Amino acid sequence: SAVISQKPSRDICQRGTSLTIQCQVDSQVTMMFWYRQQPGQSLTLIATANQGSEATYESGFVIDKFPISRPNLTFSTLTVSNMSPEDSSIYLCSVASLVHEQFFGPGTRLTVL
Amino acid sequence: DQQVKQNSPSLSVQEGRISILNCDYTNSMFDYFLWYKKYPAEGPTFLISISSIKDKNEDGRFTVFLNKSAKHLSLHIVPSQPGDSAVYFCAASEGDDKIIFGKGTRLHILP
Repeated sequence: SAVISQKPSRDICQRGTSLTIQCQVDSQVTMMFWYRQQPGQSLTLIATANQGSEATYESGFVIDKFPISRPNLTFSTLTVSNMSPEDSSIYLCSVASLVHEQFFGPGTRLTVL
Repeated sequence: DQQVKQNSPSLSVQEGRISILNCDYTNSMFDYFLWYKKYPAEGPTFLISISSIKDKNEDGRFTVFLNKSAKHLSLHIVPSQPGDSAVYFCAASEGDDKIIFGKGTRLHILP
C-alpha cells in the first residue's frame, strides 16, 4: 500500500478566501482522486486528477471552484476557491492502480467561517 | 438520490459478540462491493470486498455477504474487538466506474 500525506491537516478560513490542499504519495501512482465528506454525509468524488492534463470533474463540481493540479505521478493539489461555510468538509485524496483498490490520505478538515 | 444506503448511523456491540453492519443499494448494475473502515483523523482504509459473482467472502474475523436479489450486503465481524470501534463505509461500483460510498455506520464495541 502507498503512504499518503496531506497538508494542511486542518484549517479554519474566512469566507471568500481560497485554500490549497496538497497530497503527496511515496510512490508513483496511476490514479489520484479528490473526495469531499461533508458532515454526516458520504464520501463524494470531486474529480480525478490526471497527470499532465486537466482533471476530470464529477457532476456538480467545476474547475473554477475546485482547480486541481497534478504535475507528476506523486503529487497533486486541490484548491477550494472563494470559500463559503457550505465548503466546510473533510477533503481527502486517494490513490490507486485500480479503481477498486484505493488508498486514502488522512484528510484535511476545513472549517469556513 | 443515494445509490448506497447505510440506514444505521451507529451500532453498539458487546466485545466478543458478533457485529453485523448492513448496506442496501439501488443500482442493479453494481458488480463490485467494498467495505472501508475509518478511525478519527485518519483516511478510510480498505477492509474487504466482494464481486457480484460471489455471495460470500471471508477474511479472518471479517465476512461479507451479498444478496443480489435483495440488493443487500452485510459485514459480519466475529468476534468483535475494541479496536473494531470505527466508522464503516459500504461502497459499490459498476465496472471500472467510480466508487459510490454510503454515509457510514459508527460501530462502538463495548467492554
